[in-house]
Amino acid sequence: GENVEQHPSTLSVQEGDSAVIKCTYSDSASNYFPWYKQELGKRPQLIIDIRSNVGEKKDQRIAVTLNKTAKHFSLHITETQPEDSAVYFCAASFSDNYGQNFVFGPGTRLSVLP
Amino acid sequence: DTEVTQTPKHLVMGMTNKKSLKCEQHMGHRAMYWYKQKAKKPPELMFVYSYEKLSINESVPSRFSPECPNSSLLNLHLHALQPEDSALYLCASSQEPQGEDEQFFGPGTRLTVL
Repeated sequence: GENVEQHPSTLSVQEGDSAVIKCTYSDSASNYFPWYKQELGKRPQLIIDIRSNVGEKKDQRIAVTLNKTAKHFSLHITETQPEDSAVYFCAASFSDNYGQNFVFGPGTRLSVLP
Repeated sequence: DTEVTQTPKHLVMGMTNKKSLKCEQHMGHRAMYWYKQKAKKPPELMFVYSYEKLSINESVPSRFSPECPNSSLLNLHLHALQPEDSALYLCASSQEPQGEDEQFFGPGTRLTVL
């Protein structure tokens, strides 16, 4: 089945700096890659996603890049703010006996220091 | 209404109890899911209801039993749980099966099994 790795597991940056989180996946058939943000005690929320027919997508301070050949994708957050502090999960779609699903990476705990 | 709601928010139960978790969405989504999330871990898929068909992660013990009374409601019946089942249980929904579509998560039920 699909395996998603995510690095780093923890990341601390100064407010205003950029943060980059990288994920790799194993199933070359994967074609949908969402990123979820989960604040402490809250539900996961989609912050950006990308499909395999696109190499890059940007939404204000957040961008995602995808390299299908190398099977990796990255989240970029610019001008970080304290409210960006959270756990970030990447995910990749795959097909198994249960149909089309996706599997989450292990998560990155981002701390933005004021 | 663009929210997924879950009740109760917190649940404490003994190993001999029977309880149910409830999930509701009114976004017209055709797929609903149950996830289990342990502390500092990503959500793990338990069940998928897609187009009124149940898909089961075969690693989920039979003491968890999903029920989908209609396309807006999803229940999770709990019976004879173990302390290691203590976790955050998240419900989610998507317009289409999860493989290529955003999932909207509910706030979760924090379950403690004594």
